[in-house]
Amino acid sequence: DGGITQSPKYLFRKEGQNVTLSCEQNLNHDAMYWYRQDPGQGLRLIYYSQIVNDFQKGDIAEGYSVSREKKESFPLTVTSAQKNPTAFYLCASSRRTDVGEKLFFGSGTQLSVL
Amino acid sequence: AQKVTQAQTEISVVEKEDVTLDCVYETRDTTYYLFWYKQPPSGELVFLIRRNSFDEQNEISGRYSWNFQKSTSSFNFTITASQVVDSAVYFCALNSGYSTLTFGKGTMLLVSP
Repeated sequence: DGGITQSPKYLFRKEGQNVTLSCEQNLNHDAMYWYRQDPGQGLRLIYYSQIVNDFQKGDIAEGYSVSREKKESFPLTVTSAQKNPTAFYLCASSRRTDVGEKLFFGSGTQLSVL
Repeated sequence: AQKVTQAQTEISVVEKEDVTLDCVYETRDTTYYLFWYKQPPSGELVFLIRRNSFDEQNEISGRYSWNFQKSTSSFNFTITASQVVDSAVYFCALNSGYSTLTFGKGTMLLVSP
């Protein structure tokens, strides 16, 4: 079945540590996205990528980094510079970034700080 | 700039009641798209509907219906005869111009037996 796979489902970060969240899609979509969800805050865009080897900052990119070396993969690194990383992280993809494109979502990763 | 407001943070109903989730949007673009997504406890957002700004026809899909009114900038979602499986967080979202999708803060719906 086609879809988006996020791993791990739960992740714990120690102080000063960088952690990487995985996102893989087999939908052959060009565009991929990372969102952060905090309770009662909706979804906020961290980064998005329209094509391989290209990505743009979203609304809350500080403290995060991404790469897009393959069409299928869009990993997100939460760096030690992100002082409040505890949140639910959702990866999504769409065929393109044209207006009106439907987003498909993964099942998310819950990141917590030890 | 675009904005989506879901004023209802949480709604609790008893099974078989009808419930309406409100969504108000703001955009300066004449061409835009509105979406509703459902987020069950498993966490994954599930697409429910997409509507473009030129199509104001209301839509019904089973127990779900959507009322799009450009005059009030609203795109409300009604569940008829609610069921426990409808319990989830529901997000309204807007996409216009060169902006990426903007989500409202979501409405948590709790349906009790």
